[in-house]
Amino acid sequence: KQEVTQIPAALSVPEGENLVLNCSFTDSAIYNLQWFRQDPGKGLTSLLLIQSSQREQTSGRLNASLDKSSGRSTLYIAASQPGDSATYLCAKGNYGQNFVFGPGTRLSVLP
Amino acid sequence: EAGVAQSPRYKIIEKRQSVAFWCNPISGHATLYWYQQILGQGPKLLIQFQNNGVVDDSQLPKDRFSAERLKGVDSTLKIQPAKLEDSAVYLCASSLGRTSLSDTQYFGPGTRLTVL
Repeated sequence: KQEVTQIPAALSVPEGENLVLNCSFTDSAIYNLQWFRQDPGKGLTSLLLIQSSQREQTSGRLNASLDKSSGRSTLYIAASQPGDSATYLCAKGNYGQNFVFGPGTRLSVLP
Repeated sequence: EAGVAQSPRYKIIEKRQSVAFWCNPISGHATLYWYQQILGQGPKLLIQFQNNGVVDDSQLPKDRFSAERLKGVDSTLKIQPAKLEDSAVYLCASSLGRTSLSDTQYFGPGTRLTVL
């Protein structure tokens, strides 16, 4: 069974801190990995997508990395802001199938 | 560009009742997805349509859940009869093309279902 886990489940940091969110998955047969943001009462918004042939992707203050051999991906957020407060989910894309989502990390950035 | 629309936003029903959710994807998007998100978990794909055909419904509990996408545009998801464990947020998403893993999926706000 495909499993995607995320640690920590919740995180609270003061504004301005750099932080790392972790995503682990079983089965190294990965097509791609995607990071999403979910705000309360809203749907998911795609942040970054890393193809299996890539090691990282960057967008603004966000950087996502992928290590297939260890079954891990990290999302790095630089200089966090209160507006970054949300739940962050990773999703593993499997060949011939759809995404398997992790349970998410709930981030609170305190002003 | 208008986003993915879903209704209703909230629904409370008693177990064994039936309920239906509606989704209108972004105009021109060929692929439509229904996900179930139970509190504290990530979304789980229930069904994927490409135009009006079903691509993947392997995780849809077909004894009680049904979905259709007539005319390849909007879609309805129905539960009949509902069980307590169906309490969740039901998310609809759409994407432009047919390659679901590489296409950006755009999500609606979801319908929060509570079964009492």
